[in-house]
Amino acid sequence: AQSVTQPDIHITVSEGASLELRCNYSYGATPYLFWYVQSPGQGLQLLLKYFSGDTLVQGIKGFEAEFKRSQSSFNLRKPSVHWSDAAEYFCAVGILTGGGNKLTFGTGTQLKVEL
Amino acid sequence: AAGVIQSPRHLIKEKRETATLKCYPIPRHDTVYWYQQGPGQDPQFLISFYEKMQSDKGSIPDRFSAQQFSDYHSELNMSSLELGDSALYFCASSLEGRGTGPSNYGYTFGSGTRLTVV
Repeated sequence: AQSVTQPDIHITVSEGASLELRCNYSYGATPYLFWYVQSPGQGLQLLLKYFSGDTLVQGIKGFEAEFKRSQSSFNLRKPSVHWSDAAEYFCAVGILTGGGNKLTFGTGTQLKVEL
Repeated sequence: AAGVIQSPRHLIKEKRETATLKCYPIPRHDTVYWYQQGPGQDPQFLISFYEKMQSDKGSIPDRFSAQQFSDYHSELNMSSLELGDSALYFCASSLEGRGTGPSNYGYTFGSGTRLTVV
């Protein structure tokens, strides 16, 4: 069965510092990978996704992620964090089903930004 | 651009009551998914529909049922509510086609319905 691991439950960075959120997945086939961001009590906003092709994926809000098959990783990065980036970040792997794409999420990483 | 619409945004029910959550997918999306997110938890897949037929089922209790209607909106029906059903319920939609992989149109979540069972 597929699984997603986000090793860091909480991360604190200073505004303007760089950020890397780790994500490791376990899946027997080529994964479809996603990063979502969620503010408290809000919905899930898609930051970026990887299906195939270029392993460095650009997303919204200045985020990027790199798919590394050899390491089964899909880490999220941002060169300079803004205070508004404080939120919870979920990595997810998509599994093709009979007519759709079921997502399995990691447990999330809570990002705190210090001013 | 149109998004996934969920209603109601908030719902308070008593134990053993019934709740119905509604989801209106993005126009022309053919697949709807339901997820449950408990307090401090990651979202868990409940059920999905492709072209109005159930396509996959996750950890959905027998007390819950769902369907997708001819206009593609979906409803999640929850009966005999328990305190542990209190959660944020998300609906998502996508344009999948027939097993050709996630569409480049993406997989869009609604803002969720917060269900509180008291």
